[in-house]
Amino acid sequence: QKEVEQNSGPLSVPEGAIASLNCTYSDRGSQSFFWYRQYSGKSPELIMFIYSNGDKEDGRFTAQLNKASQYVSLLIRDSQPSDSATYLCAVNMGGANSKLTFGKGITLSVRP
Amino acid sequence: EAQVTQNPRYLITVTGKKLTVTCSQNMNHEYMSWYRQDPGLGLRQIYYSMNVEVTDKGDVPEGYKVSRKEKRNFPLILESPSPNQTSLYFCASRGGWAANTEAFFGQGTRLTVV
Repeated sequence: QKEVEQNSGPLSVPEGAIASLNCTYSDRGSQSFFWYRQYSGKSPELIMFIYSNGDKEDGRFTAQLNKASQYVSLLIRDSQPSDSATYLCAVNMGGANSKLTFGKGITLSVRP
Repeated sequence: EAQVTQNPRYLITVTGKKLTVTCSQNMNHEYMSWYRQDPGLGLRQIYYSMNVEVTDKGDVPEGYKVSRKEKRNFPLILESPSPNQTSLYFCASRGGWAANTEAFFGQGTRLTVV
């Protein structure tokens, strides 16, 4: 069973801090990695995707990918209360299905 | 505006009464899929479609049917709903099946089967 694991939450950080969200995946053939944000009762929305080893930055968000360790992370700098949401890691393992497999998500709470 | 539209947003029904949840996208996307989201289980794929008239099972297809007669529409059919199908459902579309294409989600349909 190909799996995507996110470290257990919830995660609580003070406003202005760095929030670090982690995700591991089981399939070494995985090709693309996505971070979605989901507010309570709303649909997931894409924050970033990454498919090359290393870091990718977009504003306050940085995605980090290490394929050798099968690990992808999302850093949120200068966390704001509006960042409080559930963050979903999704992995595309390729293949005929090209399915996105999602982790169970981690809930982030940013304290004012 | 590019979007994926699901209807209805909320639905309460009784066991055994057939229902259809509609999904439509205006982005000319080839790949569409249905997910259900349950507490502690995350998003799980029910069915997917890689193009018109091409559909296949995802991870949890039991009790569901789909059809893809037009590119823009991908309805989810529950022929005989049961309480264990109470869940939050999302339709998603992607521009293709390449690994790096992102998924766009509909607003969600909260289904309760009593």
